Amino acid sequence: DAGITQSPRYKITETGRQVTLMCHQTWSHSYMFWYRQDLGHGLRLIYYSAAADITDKGEVPDGYVVSRSKTENFPLTLESATRSQTSVYFCASSGTSGNTGELFFGEGSRLTVL
Amino acid sequence: SQKIEQNSEALNIQEGKTATLTCNYTNYSPAYLQWYRQDPGRGPVFLLLIRENEKEKRKERLKVTFDTTLKQSLFHITASQPADSATYLCARGSAGGTSYGKLTFGQGTILTVHP
Repeated sequence: DAGITQSPRYKITETGRQVTLMCHQTWSHSYMFWYRQDLGHGLRLIYYSAAADITDKGEVPDGYVVSRSKTENFPLTLESATRSQTSVYFCASSGTSGNTGELFFGEGSRLTVL
Repeated sequence: SQKIEQNSEALNIQEGKTATLTCNYTNYSPAYLQWYRQDPGRGPVFLLLIRENEKEKRKERLKVTFDTTLKQSLFHITASQPADSATYLCARGSAGGTSYGKLTFGQGTILTVHP
């Protein structure tokens, strides 16, 4: 089906483990984003990508790694998970040709770090 | 930093009334503001965008305004319905270049429309 999908939807892990959250979009959008959503903070940008092999840091990048070898995929890796990374993670994409960006969000990945 | 604040954490109104949500920003005016709707357990869904040089935008029962003097955007839902109950997010964005699509979000306002 067309759209943007995230997996897993729910994940429980332990402190220190590596976790990868997957994001796949079928629109061939150039831009992709990872946000985290926490009570009291709203949505905060972790990393974004303007195209395959082009990524850059957002507001809260520490402890996260991204890659984008293909346009349609944008995985987010927590190299050594910490409790403070317990959150809901949203992937988004945008392909608007103008200079503004409506974002299309996935359904989110709820991560709990014990 | 460029902040965006949604003053009301929650808003309760009666069905049929107009809901008005407020979004305030700091420092310089953003190139545009966007409004999203988010239902529990779901991702945000885009509703409206208004640019800095636009005063008002409408879409069906939705209206958004942009006041650069007050540094504020108002989001209105007229003839509200219980189905409009959700969290509404305001976001500011900068135009083009490396800022493309990078939004700063407010914390959201939870709207509840009572029958």
